[in-house]
Amino acid sequence: NAGVMQNPRHLVRRRGQEARLRCSPMKGHSHVYWYRQLPEEGLKFMVYLQKENIIDESGMPKERFSAEFPKEGPSILRIQQVVRGDSAAYFCASSPQKGSVEAFFGQGTRLTVV
Amino acid sequence: GESVGLHLPTLSVQEGDNSIINCAYSNSASDYFIWYKQESGKGPQFIIDIRSNMDKRQGQRVTVLLNKTVKHLSLQIAATQPGDSAVYFCAENHGGSEKLVFGKGMKLTVNP
Repeated sequence: NAGVMQNPRHLVRRRGQEARLRCSPMKGHSHVYWYRQLPEEGLKFMVYLQKENIIDESGMPKERFSAEFPKEGPSILRIQQVVRGDSAAYFCASSPQKGSVEAFFGQGTRLTVV
Repeated sequence: GESVGLHLPTLSVQEGDNSIINCAYSNSASDYFIWYKQESGKGPQFIIDIRSNMDKRQGQRVTVLLNKTVKHLSLQIAATQPGDSAVYFCAENHGGSEKLVFGKGMKLTVNP
């Protein structure tokens, strides 16, 4: 019973490139949450998705960031035209039903923008 | 606004001692409070949670205390072991929102 799988684990991008982060939730989970963690900081909520729907994107920057969770396949967090300030660890969590207290986190993707 | 914060950024204890990690929160509407453990290079791992209608909950070697009067949350770890060394986060969740609000974290170091 695999946990939440995120890939890649590490991603290096040059300024101006695009970053695509993938999250495969646990089997049977249809709710996905994305969080960002800066060094020495706590996690900050970005977006909450259910299959094919964005439910809450109140933590997403207005520009360059987008997220999707298609009917088939993993959830994708996409960052266009990356800047150095985007360097962070991005964590995905999934849950079987509404209620993030039951969410399980993946190992994260560490994005470095050079 | 919402905020969840920790009093101590670091804590160093001897193996076998009890550890207490504290957290202050400001949103009195929070329904759930959760403690997470994060080891280096890994994602947060759920430890224990407590609902707002409770003041104490116990797990294996861990106890969470909630004082709503002063908006304070604590995690007690009994007989701390080297494997408990990690960063600990408190987080809150309140009805109507699916997001968790995390504190900044506190690093626990257990010396053998």
